[in-house]
Amino acid sequence: TQLLEQSPQFLSIQEGENLTVYCNSSSVFSSLQWYRQEPGEGPVLLVTVVTGGEVKKLKRLTFQFGDARKDSSLHITAAQPGDTGLYLCAGGVRDRDDKIIFGKGTRLHILP
Amino acid sequence: GAGVSQSPRYKVAKRGQDVALRCDPISGHVSLFWYQQALGQGPEFLTYFQNEAQLDKSGLPSDRFFAERPEGSVSTLKIQRTQQEDSAVYLCASSWDRLAGADEQYFGPGTRLTVT
Repeated sequence: TQLLEQSPQFLSIQEGENLTVYCNSSSVFSSLQWYRQEPGEGPVLLVTVVTGGEVKKLKRLTFQFGDARKDSSLHITAAQPGDTGLYLCAGGVRDRDDKIIFGKGTRLHILP
Repeated sequence: GAGVSQSPRYKVAKRGQDVALRCDPISGHVSLFWYQQALGQGPEFLTYFQNEAQLDKSGLPSDRFFAERPEGSVSTLKIQRTQQEDSAVYLCASSWDRLAGADEQYFGPGTRLTVT
């Protein structure tokens, strides 16, 4: 069974702090996406990474894809209350089982 | 609109009733996905269409769940004889073309189903 494990499950920090959340698997992914979901809404795509070692930046968010394409991290600098939400990673597997797998998410709460 | 739309946004059904949930994907998107999401959890895959062909339905939890996309655009997820454990948010997503390598998905707002 292919799994995407996200850690931590929950994180509550003060505004202005930095944080990193992780997405790990034993599977190799052809691509990996990060989404943010707010209550009552569907997930919104933040970024997709494709190449091992790739780093992408989106304002204060930095996304990295592991060299072996099995893991990824999301680093937020100077967190803001607007960053609050459920962060989901999803990986595309293209082998005998062609699937997109979602992690269970990291619930982030930024305290003003 | 330019995004994925779903209707209804909220549905309350009595146990045993049948329900139908609709998804309008982004125009031109070939791939369409249905997910079930429990409160505070990540989406769980239900089924996937490429145009009108249902390529993967391995996530459907029982034969009470049925999905179709007859013309390769709008899709309907039908749940027969609803049970309380069916209560969840049902998310629809579309992508340009999964088989061509487009893994990025664009989600609708979801339908919250409550079975009483």
